[in-house]
Amino acid sequence: DAGITQSPRYKITETGRQVTLMCHQTWSHSYMFWYRQDLGHGLRLIYYSAAADITDKGEVPDGYVVSRSKTENFPLTLESATRSQTSVYFCASSEKYRAYQPQHFGDGTRLSIL
Amino acid sequence: ELKVEQNPLFLSMQEGKNYTIYCNYSTTSDRLYWYRQDPGKSLESLFVLLSNGAVKQEGRLMASLDTKARLSTLHITAAVHDLSATYFCAALRADSWGKLQFGAGTQVVVTP
Repeated sequence: DAGITQSPRYKITETGRQVTLMCHQTWSHSYMFWYRQDLGHGLRLIYYSAAADITDKGEVPDGYVVSRSKTENFPLTLESATRSQTSVYFCASSEKYRAYQPQHFGDGTRLSIL
Repeated sequence: ELKVEQNPLFLSMQEGKNYTIYCNYSTTSDRLYWYRQDPGKSLESLFVLLSNGAVKQEGRLMASLDTKARLSTLHITAAVHDLSATYFCAALRADSWGKLQFGAGTQVVVTP
C-alpha cells in the first residue's frame, strides 16, 4: 500500500548501543523529516531532507545521524544511545511543489533506552 | 525564530458545548496546519490554511486564520466524546524546505 511506513514500531535497547530507525515512503515526496515527541515538548524536528543526498539539522540533532541515498528512504541512526533519547519518533514527508498539502506522518517508533 | 504557542494546553469539554483552541505564532508564516493525534497514534491532518481570512470546516470542527494577528483558531461546535484527542497547530517556517514549527498541543477530553 502507498504511504509512509516506519520500522520497527517498538524498540528496547541499552545505553551505548547503536540503533537505526527506518522510514520508507512511496509517494516520491521530496521532503522528509524526523521528529521526536516528548511530553511537554510537542514535536521537535531532529533532521530533515530536501531531496536525496541533501540533509540538514533541525532543532535537536545532537546524537543523531541521517542519510538519504534514495528518495524513498530516510533512516535515522542513534550512534550511541542515551536514556535521554527515549522517546516516540515520527517520520514525515511532504511534496516540495505542493506546499498546500500537509506533511504526512508515519505511525511512529516507540524507543526505550535502558 | 518562529515560535508557536497554543492555549489552552488542556481543555475539559462538556458534551454539547462549544469551545475554541488558540494558536499564536511569532513571525510571518505562509501556511498554518492543524493536526489531530489520538493516544498512541500518529498525527492526522485536519486542515491546511493558506491565506489570511481562510476558513475551513469539517463536521464539528472549524479552523480560521488571521495572518495580521498571527492567530489561528480551532472552534469545536457541540463537542462529542469522539473529539477527545490532542490537537496540534503548526506553522510553516520562513526558511522553508517545508519545515513546520509545532505548538505544544492541546489535550482535549470530552465528558458527558
